Amino acid sequence: DAGVIQSPRHEVTEMGQEVTLRCKPISGHNSLFWYRQTMMRGLELLIYFNNNVPIDDSGMPEDRFSAKMPNASFSTLKIQPSEPRDSAVYFCASSGQMNQPQHFGDGTRLSIL
Amino acid sequence: ELKVEQNPLFLSMQEGKNYTIYCNYSTTSDRLYWYRQDPGKSLESLFVLLSNGAVKQEGRLMASLDTKARLSTLHITAAVHDLSATYFCADSNFGNEKLTFGTGTRLTIIP
Repeated sequence: DAGVIQSPRHEVTEMGQEVTLRCKPISGHNSLFWYRQTMMRGLELLIYFNNNVPIDDSGMPEDRFSAKMPNASFSTLKIQPSEPRDSAVYFCASSGQMNQPQHFGDGTRLSIL
Repeated sequence: ELKVEQNPLFLSMQEGKNYTIYCNYSTTSDRLYWYRQDPGKSLESLFVLLSNGAVKQEGRLMASLDTKARLSTLHITAAVHDLSATYFCADSNFGNEKLTFGTGTRLTIIP
């Protein structure tokens, strides 16, 4: 079975540029989560969707960040404009039922110069 | 404020020894998750603990949950090098889907 698929795996870009991260959840999973992992702050939930609807975006750091889930098989996390402090590993995860674990993608390692 | 605290943060142990990682959480949730992360890799689910007194075992790892004490433990028996990784616990916020992760415990098994 295919797991959660994220792209790109690595992204290096200059400050001020727009960055778009992509995620394909596991088929049949109805919840999708975006996390950010840094050494300083650990693993933080940014936003999560249930049945394509954003449920909790309280972790989104500021207006530069936005996320969409236009259908059950695709989600994007966009940063515009990007800043060096956004450098981190961004993970997408999905789950099917509340008592089941979240399954994580391989992550996108983002570096903003 | 929701908190999930793990200790120790770093742990070096010799092969063959036993040790326990502790996870304290602040909510009244009865669901607790354990994950493993290898350096530069994704998170892999290890255990889902769904009720007070739940105990699950897989190989040399055993996890337990005490909801009254708001404490979960991950016990390592006769450690082997392959268990070197960072281990995270995560608490579901008041029983919903949102998880709060602990700081992680970086475990290094020394031959």
